[in-house]
Amino acid sequence: EAGVAQSPRYKIIEKRQSVAFWCNPISGHATLYWYQQILGQGPKLLIQFQNNGVVDDSQLPKDRFSAERLKGVDSTLKIQPAKLEDSAVYLCASSYERGRHNEQFFGPGTRLTVL
Amino acid sequence: AQSVSQHNHHVILSEAASLELGCNYSYGGTVNLFWYVQYPGQHLQLLLKYFSGDPLVKGIKGFEAEFIKSKFSFNLRKPSVQWSDTAEYFCAANRDDKIIFGKGTRLHILP
Repeated sequence: EAGVAQSPRYKIIEKRQSVAFWCNPISGHATLYWYQQILGQGPKLLIQFQNNGVVDDSQLPKDRFSAERLKGVDSTLKIQPAKLEDSAVYLCASSYERGRHNEQFFGPGTRLTVL
Repeated sequence: AQSVSQHNHHVILSEAASLELGCNYSYGGTVNLFWYVQYPGQHLQLLLKYFSGDPLVKGIKGFEAEFIKSKFSFNLRKPSVQWSDTAEYFCAANRDDKIIFGKGTRLHILP
């Protein structure tokens, strides 16, 4: 089966600019996650969707970050405006359904550099 | 606060050496535990997972991990490493559908 797709793979922007990332989960996976992975740290969950609804966005900096999954399939994550500390790899993952038993499958990530 | 701790940030071993990477979690109650691996240039993938039952779980590529509830630990082991095991390894814990990752251990195997 095809894996989780993400684009772009790399992005370089200047601070205060906007950027958007796209994710297409594995077909049939209802749950989609966005993670932020800063260099030297493990992935940190930003937001979790179940179909097109938000399940958990408690760690999403909502003043500048937004995400949507309008049709319950692919998703976009936006940063507006970007700050230097947003430099990180943004990972998208999906799982068949919610719950602690479900394995998450990760995409290749988008490496964002904010200058 | 809930957390996952990995004791070693960077480990260097020679081929055929034995490996043990430490992982401790601070959750109480029922928790599921995972080890993920990220090979150079590749995405995160699951090595093994523990949900319940036998505390010794076996994963891909000869890896295993032991869940010790009394110590809140889930250490990863491999009796004889290969050069191809060079990668970054992440321990993760999932409780109530909230998954937290450790900071990762970068493993470098010398040929």
